[in-house]
Amino acid sequence: KQEVTQIPAALSVPEGENLVLNCSFTDSAIYNLQWFRQDPGKGLTSLLLIQSSQREQTSGRLNASLDKSSGRSTLYIAASQPGDSATYLCAVKGGANNLFFGTGTRLTVIP
Amino acid sequence: KAGVTQTPRYLIKTRGQQVTLSCSPISGHRSVSWYQQTPGQGLQFLFEYFSETQRNKGNFPGRFSGRQFSNSRSEMNVSTLELGDSALYLCASKVDIQETQYFGPGTRLLVL
Repeated sequence: KQEVTQIPAALSVPEGENLVLNCSFTDSAIYNLQWFRQDPGKGLTSLLLIQSSQREQTSGRLNASLDKSSGRSTLYIAASQPGDSATYLCAVKGGANNLFFGTGTRLTVIP
Repeated sequence: KAGVTQTPRYLIKTRGQQVTLSCSPISGHRSVSWYQQTPGQGLQFLFEYFSETQRNKGNFPGRFSGRQFSNSRSEMNVSTLELGDSALYLCASKVDIQETQYFGPGTRLLVL
């Protein structure tokens, strides 16, 4: 069974700092990997989706990379802002069309 | 376009009761998936419906069931509720040929 782990579980940074969130998965046979953000009491918002054949995706201040062979992905957030405070989840899509979610990283950006 | 809507937003039930949650997908989206989110287990996939058929199922007991109507709206039902069923239940919809899912705000269920 696919296991997805995110480190660290929580992170606090001062505003303006660049940061990296990590995601690792045990089964490299994936179709894609997605990064989501979840605000307290709300649903998930898709940030970036990387197909298994891709190495990275960028959207604004966000850059996600994928290394399938090592079972790792990173989400890079540049020039962090207080509005970036949320829980960030990565999810991998396996062969059965299921999404396996990581445990999440709770990010706090301090003004 | 309106987003994914879920009703009710909050629900309190007692053990042994059953509950039905509703999800209305974004217009034009025919795929609806359901997820359970708990502090201990995180987000787990329950099932996916497409064109009124269950296309995929996670590893949950038979007490958890769902259905999809011809207008793509979906319901999930949990029978004989247990304390451990307390969770945030999220549904997500998507255009079938695309990968990006759009999530609703969730229904928070508390079982006493």
